[in-house]
Amino acid sequence: DAGVIQSPRHEVTEMGQEVTLRCKPISGHNSLFWYRQTMMRGLELLIYFNNNVPIDDSGMPEDRFSAKMPNASFSTLKIQPSEPRDSAVYFCASRLGLAPYNEQFFGPGTRLTVL
Amino acid sequence: KQEVTQIPAALSVPEGENLVLNCSFTDSAIYNLQWFRQDPGKGLTSLLLIQSSQREQTSGRLNASLDKSSGRSTLYIAASQPGDSATYLCAGAKTGGTSYGKLTFGQGTILTVHP
Repeated sequence: DAGVIQSPRHEVTEMGQEVTLRCKPISGHNSLFWYRQTMMRGLELLIYFNNNVPIDDSGMPEDRFSAKMPNASFSTLKIQPSEPRDSAVYFCASRLGLAPYNEQFFGPGTRLTVL
Repeated sequence: KQEVTQIPAALSVPEGENLVLNCSFTDSAIYNLQWFRQDPGKGLTSLLLIQSSQREQTSGRLNASLDKSSGRSTLYIAASQPGDSATYLCAGAKTGGTSYGKLTFGQGTILTVHP
């Protein structure tokens, strides 16, 4: 299995631009999680889906952030407009089932820099 | 709010030593505990998952234990090697309530094993 796939791996953009991060979960996994990691705040859960349905988006920092999961094999995290404080590494993770009885697997992350 | 604390924040040991990383959580209710490793600039790699009905899990030189009554988990690394140098994170999850399915991460322990 290829594992969780994220693209792009690096993104540099200017303040005010729209940014779209992409994730392909492990085949067969029906729960998908978006995290953000910074030195100051550590690893934060932004939103997670089960069977393509958003379960909890309470971690999404602002209305500028939105996430979708149109099918079982694809999810996007969009920031519009982007700001310098959004600079971070964004991770996608997937798991079989919503209950945490199974391991959660992470993608390699997207390093976002907003100038 | 569930909090997960990892001690120490950083640890430096000579090659060959056995070492223990600690993880504590404020809510000792039903808990699953997952240990991860993160190399610089990389994603998180799952090491061990301890389900609430288990007390420990072993994989090679790694052994993780879970004591729900005291709200603690430990990761034991035997015969440490320079290749073990990384940040180790623990993450806990409830199996019920509004936090169902979520993992709450500690801030991590930065381990350096020098030759």
